[in-house]
Amino acid sequence: GQNIDQPTEMTATEGAIVQINCTYQTSGFNGLFWYQQHAGEAPTFLSYNVLDGLEEKGRFSSFLSRSKGYSYLLLKELQMKDSASYLCAALDSNYQLIWGAGTKLIIKP
Amino acid sequence: AGITQSPRHKVTETGTPVTLRCHQTENHRYMYWYRQDPGMGLRLIHYSVGEGTTAKGEVPDGYNVSRLKKQNFLLGLESAAPSQTSVYFCAISETNTEAFFGQGTRLTVV
Repeated sequence: GQNIDQPTEMTATEGAIVQINCTYQTSGFNGLFWYQQHAGEAPTFLSYNVLDGLEEKGRFSSFLSRSKGYSYLLLKELQMKDSASYLCAALDSNYQLIWGAGTKLIIKP
Repeated sequence: AGITQSPRHKVTETGTPVTLRCHQTENHRYMYWYRQDPGMGLRLIHYSVGEGTTAKGEVPDGYNVSRLKKQNFLLGLESAAPSQTSVYFCAISETNTEAFFGQGTRLTVV
C-alpha cells in the first residue's frame, strides 16, 4: 500500500533550527511536496522536490533522497509565526497526491 | 489563487442532502475535493481533469460531484451521515503538481 510517515508533533525554540522528517512508500514517484497549514486555515505550498538534493528557499529548505524514500523540511531562524502543521505529500505514478497526517510544530519563546 | 468555497460552515441533520460549492477564477484545469479529519492526512474524494469530466479518489463513497463549467466544482452528499462530519477543502492546479486550496468548509452532521 501507499504510506507517508511523519512525526505527529515537534517542539522547538524561537530562533533555533528544526528538521521535520518524512518517509514515503508509493506506487511510483513523481515528486514530494511540503505544505504549511496554520490552524483553521488552508494548506499553502512551501516546496516541491523531484530530484535528489537540497532546495533552499529563504529560511526554509527541503531535501529529497529518492533511493531512501525520504525527505525533510528544514526551518531556520524560527519565528513564532512558524507555529503550524507541516504536511508532506508524495505524487504517485498516477499523479495523485498521497498525504501524510501532518506534523504540528510548536514554537516556544 | 482565486478559489472560493461556500458555505464556510454548515450544520445539517442526518439524512439530508448537502451541496458544497467551489468556484475558481484562475482557469486551472484540475479541481479536487478533499476531506481533512483530525490525525489523518488529506484524503481525496473526487477530482476533475477538465470541464465535464470527473473521477473517483480515495474515499468517494457517499459523495458525488459535477463540473458542468470549468470554474465550478460541486460536491454533493445525497444523504449526509455523521461520519461525513469533516472539513472539506477544494483545490485547483494547472499542471497536476502544485495545488492551491480554498479556505475550507466545516460540515457538521448531527
